[in-house]
Amino acid sequence: DTGVSQDPRHKITKRGQNVTFRCDPISEHNRLYWYRQTLGQGPEFLTYFQNEAQLEKSRLLSDRFSAERPKGSFSTLEIQRTEQGDSAMYLCASSPLAGDPTGELFFGEGSRLTVL
Amino acid sequence: AQSVTQPDIHITVSEGASLELRCNYSYGATPYLFWYVQSPGQGLQLLLKYFSGDTLVQGIKGFEAEFKRSQSSFNLRKPSVHWSDAAEYFCASGGSYIPTFGRGTSLIVHP
Repeated sequence: DTGVSQDPRHKITKRGQNVTFRCDPISEHNRLYWYRQTLGQGPEFLTYFQNEAQLEKSRLLSDRFSAERPKGSFSTLEIQRTEQGDSAMYLCASSPLAGDPTGELFFGEGSRLTVL
Repeated sequence: AQSVTQPDIHITVSEGASLELRCNYSYGATPYLFWYVQSPGQGLQLLLKYFSGDTLVQGIKGFEAEFKRSQSSFNLRKPSVHWSDAAEYFCASGGSYIPTFGRGTSLIVHP
């Protein structure tokens, strides 16, 4: 399967714990995006990378959120000191063309976070 | 800043009936517009996209959408809905490297 892969699919954690999600994009895709989706809402943009460069991170929800893509391949999204309001689906998507602003995204199946 | 509005939170149709889901966008330049579908517990799948040219675009699963610049709309249509079309539908606009999504419309299909 050469689609976008996310791990874990489900994570249950206690408030105050740190969590990390991993995303493996389609291999030839330069751009990688993280979105958050809460119940009844559309995906909300968090951050994106072009290769290993993080080009937009001002919309990460707080300084507890951080993302990396160290070698321009897989990416991780970390949430420190989780809060109940962080409970959501975290979606990763990749996009194939470095210079194309068209924004067509290929999504993974998401990582669902539940904070108790 | 670009924005996308989907005015209908839920739409209920009978199987075999026609469908139209509404989408309005706000974007200064020529928008790149998309419709995605999300089944429960799944990621989003692209149905169709509009970049330029013919304003009526065909997508997968028998869906089509029409771009109307004068109305800032990109409505999704299907002539005959199947029970398997029940899902969440999202309209999105691109063109700035950061696609923006609407809140979605939940499609309920009655037998």
